Amino acid sequence: AQSVTQLDSQVPVFEEAPVELRCNYSSSVSVYLFWYVQYPNQGLQLLLKYLSGSTLVESINGFEAEFNKSQTSFHLRKPSVHISDTAEYFCAVSESGGSYIPTFGRGTSLIVHP
Amino acid sequence: NAGVMQNPRHLVRRRGQEARLRCSPMKGHSHVYWYRQLPEEGLKFMVYLQKENIIDESGMPKERFSAEFPKEGPSILRIQQVVRGDSAAYFCASSPAGGVLGTEAFFGQGTRLTVV
Repeated sequence: AQSVTQLDSQVPVFEEAPVELRCNYSSSVSVYLFWYVQYPNQGLQLLLKYLSGSTLVESINGFEAEFNKSQTSFHLRKPSVHISDTAEYFCAVSESGGSYIPTFGRGTSLIVHP
Repeated sequence: NAGVMQNPRHLVRRRGQEARLRCSPMKGHSHVYWYRQLPEEGLKFMVYLQKENIIDESGMPKERFSAEFPKEGPSILRIQQVVRGDSAAYFCASSPAGGVLGTEAFFGQGTRLTVV
């Protein structure tokens, strides 16, 4: 069975500063990896995903994540954050070839200060 | 193409009552997942259903909770005799298929259940 660890429960940062949200996973088989964002009182929205191929994946709003198999990590980064990026971010993993039931981390609250 | 629709958005029940949460998947999606989000915690998997079949209910409490996804109509998560500890946000997600095609799930906005 797979598991996901998001070490930081809260990450405060100033506007226009860079940010990294950490995600580590464990699995005995190949995986698919996802980052979801949840704005207050909203559902989850897919931010980006890694299925195969290039280990660096990007979203349309400037976030990127890199799959590092040796370190079993999928950290999310953005070089310059905006106030509107304030939200809860969830890392998720599912096992490729399995029944596909995403396992989620506990989430990281990104708080962007002006 | 409407997204995943959950209703009601907010539900208040007294202890001992029944709660029925509905989820209409995206058009063309035949796979539904239910998750529960407790305050200050992440999403916990509850149950995975396809039309008329429960595929995996390993995350469902053994008592009081049940789920269905009939051939016609929405998926229903039913909680009987609710207790205060059932207060949470319940999210439904759908995907067009399992396996390699079901590599992302589209989430609804959730139902926030409050038990008083």
